[in-house]
Amino acid sequence: DAGITQSPRHKVTETGTPVTLRCHQTENHRYMYWYRQDPGHGLRLIHYSYGVKDTDKGEVSDGYSVSRSKTEDFLLTLESATSSQTSVYFCAISAGSGGTANTGELFFGEGSRLTVL
Amino acid sequence: GENVEQHPSTLSVQEGDSAVIKCTYSDSASNYFPWYKQELGKRPQLIIDIRSNVGEKKDQRIAVTLNKTAKHFSLHITETQPEDSAVYFCAGYSSASKIIFGSGTRLSIRP
Repeated sequence: DAGITQSPRHKVTETGTPVTLRCHQTENHRYMYWYRQDPGHGLRLIHYSYGVKDTDKGEVSDGYSVSRSKTEDFLLTLESATSSQTSVYFCAISAGSGGTANTGELFFGEGSRLTVL
Repeated sequence: GENVEQHPSTLSVQEGDSAVIKCTYSDSASNYFPWYKQELGKRPQLIIDIRSNVGEKKDQRIAVTLNKTAKHFSLHITETQPEDSAVYFCAGYSSASKIIFGSGTRLSIRP
């Protein structure tokens, strides 16, 4: 398995509290992604990064922010958690294929289950 | 931006029969077409992919076909086995490195 770890793996929090999920990689991959997975919705892209300090929005970015200050870490922050953000969050990394856009395999972390009460 | 539609959402086949899942994509610049498999409680993993310079790729019982004109690609699983039961996702890769997944197909294999 690719060297990717997510923390925490499980978290229960209350509405209105801030939450930060961490994705850490040891592969020195360029691309990092955050997805959420909910029943009936598959994997939806929240934010992604194509380099240190380079990030962009995905399909469902409202209520989320990200930061990537170094290659190995990609942080996902919920500034004020809501019950609609209860989900399983997956981080994924990719080395890319050498071109200007990523066309490489994604390697996923084990997921972080977040429950917002 | 890239839009990916996947059908069907659920599929049940008799063990030993074939299963086909189809995805359509919108970004005509896309040139990489992967399929991921997610077993219950586990992370998604790549099972097969194809690049736009070929029309078909096989790996034992699974194959992916690509029709760039119609902008769709399909996953074919032959001689299905119980371990094929899982959720399968296609993905669309945009020119901006944004990777969008289809909504998934839950495949069940009946004994």
